[in-house]
Formats: sequence, structure tokens, C-alpha cells
Amino acid sequence: AAGVIQSPRHLIKEKRETATLKCYPIPRHDTVYWYQQGPGQDPQFLISFYEKMQSDKGSIPDRFSAQQFSDYHSELNMSSLELGDSALYFCASSYRDEQYFGPGTRLTVT
Amino acid sequence: AQKVTQAQTEISVVEKEDVTLDCVYETRDTTYYLFWYKQPPSGELVFLIRRNSFDEQNEISGRYSWNFQKSTSSFNFTITASQVVDSAVYFCARTMYSGGGADGLTFGKGTHLIIQP
Repeated sequence: AAGVIQSPRHLIKEKRETATLKCYPIPRHDTVYWYQQGPGQDPQFLISFYEKMQSDKGSIPDRFSAQQFSDYHSELNMSSLELGDSALYFCASSYRDEQYFGPGTRLTVT
Repeated sequence: AQKVTQAQTEISVVEKEDVTLDCVYETRDTTYYLFWYKQPPSGELVFLIRRNSFDEQNEISGRYSWNFQKSTSSFNFTITASQVVDSAVYFCARTMYSGGGADGLTFGKGTHLIIQP
């Protein structure tokens, strides 16, 4: 069965740089979520989109923005990167509440 | 945010033993959804189960079973006849609000399960 696709899988950036993470949901899933998981931590909800509209907002820093496009893929844009942004970033998609997670993008900020 | 508590940070058992992972959640909502996810060392988050607040039936899937007790706000997970491949961090989660739409999840801190051969 098709799964959530995230790219890139690994990303290394320097402080103050910008990063863009991409997410391709499972076909026919209309909702996308972004989560951040720091080392040894539980995932923290950042933001979600339903039918291309922003729906719910969690602990997303102002330096981050996201959108969902007409083909339902989503992008998380992160600017002015800080060392503390180093984490695993998950995208999840759902149709009626069962959230399936992608493999994650591991972002390292040096 | 409404909290999810997994009091067991780490559990270590010998293969073939049964093991129960505890999960207690806060709720101010009548409707909500509860989840369990498995995170093996490779890092992905694997969906195990979703339960809505109106369905208190226990569920069994192979060696996995779940006990949902609304009266005590608990949603415990039992692995029967554990295997080394069950070694992972297990997260319990609930919808931040009442679910539906694009409600994000609040996770517990996770329980690191170690199955020794």
C-alpha cells in the first residue's frame, strides 16, 4: 500500500539558513499534519491542513510556515534556522482521523 | 493542551513474557480519539490502533490487545508472548480536541520497551 512520502530524508543546514521540507500524502487523503520530534522527545504537533486550508496550529515557531498545494502535497518552510531546530520532522496524512506518518526528515543544523 | 501520561519510561522483559504498557489521558471533551504508535530504532512512527471515545470495546489484533477504560481515562496496551522485534518506543496519543477535521495529536512521553532474548 502507498505510504506518505517525505523528502529529503536527511538535510544538513547551517545556522540562519533556510530549509524546505516536502510531504506527499497517501492518495485520497485530504488532511496533512506536521510534527517535530527532538532527540529523545515525543512528537510535537506543528500545523495541519484540511483540503488545502490551514486548520489547526500547534507549537509552530513564527520562523516556520507551511502550505498545502492543489495536488495535496505540503511544504514546511523554515527560515533563520537555529541549532534547536535540529530534529526529526514528520508529516502525517489522514482521511477521517487515522493519521499515518511518513518516514520523517532528519534536519541537522550546524 | 490535554495531557497524555505514560508513567513507564522503560520496561525490560524476557522474550515470550506478556507486557502491558499503561496510558492515562486528560479529557474535557465528550468526543475524542486515542491512538498507539510504535517507533522502532529505525525511527518511523507505525500506526497501531485508533479508538474513539464512544467505543469502549476492547480490541485484539494477533498478539496485541488494547483495554479502554473511560471511567479511569486509561487506554492500556498489552503484548502477549513478546518477541525481540517488539523492542521499540511506544507512544500513546490523543486528539488535541474532539477529533474530526484536522485535529493534531498530543503524545505521551513514550515507553521504551526492551525485549531480551
